[in-house]
Amino acid sequence: EVQLVESGGDLVQPGGSLRLSCAASGFTLSSYAMSWVRQAPEKGLEWVSGISGSGDSTYYADSVKGRFTISRDNSKNTLYLQMNSLRVEDTALYYCAKDDRITVVRGALNYYNYYYMDVWGKGTTVTVSS
Amino acid sequence: DIQMTQSPSSLSASVGDRVTITCRASQSISSHLNWYQEKPGKAPKLLIYAASSLHSGVPSRFSGSGSGTDFSLTISSLQPEDFATYYCQQSYTTPRTFGQGTKLEIK
Repeated sequence: EVQLVESGGDLVQPGGSLRLSCAASGFTLSSYAMSWVRQAPEKGLEWVSGISGSGDSTYYADSVKGRFTISRDNSKNTLYLQMNSLRVEDTALYYCAKDDRITVVRGALNYYNYYYMDVWGKGTTVTVSS
Repeated sequence: DIQMTQSPSSLSASVGDRVTITCRASQSISSHLNWYQEKPGKAPKLLIYAASSLHSGVPSRFSGSGSGTDFSLTISSLQPEDFATYYCQQSYTTPRTFGQGTKLEIK
């Protein structure tokens, strides 16, 4: 069974740091890009960060750029999110998600990759408060 | 960043009704649009990807359409388990922004 399990969420003071982990099972982690998505209390979903299968490419929302770092250890089947300089507004349930894609070929030279998050963990809660 | 705007923000409907939720992107995203369903205490579930492709295991009463900037999610005949919050998300570019969500409630 394909599964993602997040851990590492905690209560932390503003300005503090935390590292979230996401353990993957049932699939080969290195074959897939991965994402972190969060949901603040009573709010909608916010994409936070993404990373390629190899880990060579990383992407961030403007709200966390320069403070959060996404990484992965494919040998341990684990995705990470290092969160520094935490703010009250970072309080949220953090999900990791597996990115999959389909490739549609249009013509001899054109193809398009369509990405989507098809497997999600149950989330880990981060609370930033003094 | 690409802004995604859903309408309505909330919707009341009855079992058996046909409902449509719309999503508009602030610029063209071709067909790089996904729909997710979220229920309280549960992780989001993928319903539709690439604007109109039904994810494996999702009932056929769900359908998606649109391209460019305007998209829609339709549930042909509401079932009790469909009352939830629905989000669109663009995967055309990073950051992969979500709409604000549409809460579907029982009338």
